[in-house]
Amino acid sequence: DTGVSQDPRHKITKRGQNVTFRCDPISEHNRLYWYRQTLGQGPEFLTYFQNEAQLEKSRLLSDRFSAERPKGSFSTLEIQRTEQGDSAMYLCASSPPPGRKRAGAPEQYFGPGTRLTVT
Amino acid sequence: DQQVKQNSPSLSVQEGRISILNCDYTNSMFDYFLWYKKYPAEGPTFLISISSIKDKNEDGRFTVFLNKSAKHLSLHIVPSQPGDSAVYFCAATARYGQNFVFGPGTRLSVLP
Repeated sequence: DTGVSQDPRHKITKRGQNVTFRCDPISEHNRLYWYRQTLGQGPEFLTYFQNEAQLEKSRLLSDRFSAERPKGSFSTLEIQRTEQGDSAMYLCASSPPPGRKRAGAPEQYFGPGTRLTVT
Repeated sequence: DQQVKQNSPSLSVQEGRISILNCDYTNSMFDYFLWYKKYPAEGPTFLISISSIKDKNEDGRFTVFLNKSAKHLSLHIVPSQPGDSAVYFCAATARYGQNFVFGPGTRLSVLP
């Protein structure tokens, strides 16, 4: 399977604990995105990497959230001191560089997500 | 402030008929629009997109129409099939390949 993979698929943690999620994008994709999705809503943008550089961060990404993509391949999203409001589906997506996608289609390829439950 | 809106949370259509899903946006800087389909327990899957320089894009049974003056786009599925039953998200971006803004989704049910 050469799609975007995320690990773990499910995570249950107690309030105040730290959690880390991993995303492995499609191998030739240089752009990687993190989103958060809550029930009844669409994905909300969190942050975006081009290669190893983090180019944009949403205001949703508080100081407790940090994302890395150290070698421009896989990425991790860490949430420190989790709160019940952090319970959501965390989605990762990747996108190929310009010139390798269909003309005019900046589509993203999503992973299956990591469902976080904070108790 | 919801920049991308999908005002119909759900839609039911008979198999073989046309499904029309609507999306409205407020940010006139958006220049690419995309539709994604999502099945339970899976991530969204890209379906079709349209650039702001076009007013129509077609791919098989799926056609997206863009009305820039009304800040409105729609996805037409003809003919609808039971396998099309899913949640459909409209998304938009103002800068190529960066911040994508998604609508809340419309759940489509295609009845056999």
